[in-house]
Amino acid sequence: AQSVAQPEDQVNVAEGNPLTVKCTYSVSGNPYLFWYVQYPNRGLQFLLKYITGDNLVKGSYGFEAEFNKSQTSFHLKKPSALVSDSALYFCAVRTSGAGSYQLTFGKGTKLSVIP
Amino acid sequence: EAGVTQFPSHSVIEKGQTVTLRCDPISGHDNLYWYRRVMGKEIKFLLHFVKESKQDESGMPNNRFLAERTGGTYSTLKVQPAELEDSGVYFCASSLSLATGRAFFGQGTRLTVV
Repeated sequence: AQSVAQPEDQVNVAEGNPLTVKCTYSVSGNPYLFWYVQYPNRGLQFLLKYITGDNLVKGSYGFEAEFNKSQTSFHLKKPSALVSDSALYFCAVRTSGAGSYQLTFGKGTKLSVIP
Repeated sequence: EAGVTQFPSHSVIEKGQTVTLRCDPISGHDNLYWYRRVMGKEIKFLLHFVKESKQDESGMPNNRFLAERTGGTYSTLKVQPAELEDSGVYFCASSLSLATGRAFFGQGTRLTVV
């Protein structure tokens, strides 16, 4: 079975400071990892994914994430937070193997960027 | 390019009634998924269509839920009869390729059963 843990329900950060939203995962085989963001009254928007290759993945809006196989983590980062980054962030995983393509999501982390 | 569209955006129904949710995927996307988020919990997989066929329906909670995708285009998710615990946000997603894994999500349908 695959699972995702986002240990923080909420992260508060001052505007201009670096931000990190944590994610750890468990999956059989090699993982495909994703970050999605949900702004108020909007759907899930794709931020970035890790499939293979470079462990540091760059995505939309200046976000990046680092895949760490030994720690089974895929933390989301941004060097300088904006107030407009305030939203709900979801980490998701699926196995790279064939047969099941369902994503397993974490509970979500609410990011609040304080002006 | 139009995104994934879901109708309605909100629905409030009484316990025991029937509700049908609709999802229009991105044109040309053979893969269509339904997910659900009950308040404050994880987004949970419900099922996956490849064209009109159900590839994986392991997440469907019980036989009160019926999903269809006639003709391999839009999909409907019917809940009959609805129960209080069915309340939540229902997301639809579509993808072009299973290999790349990226799914495009709709804005969701917020279902409230009272």
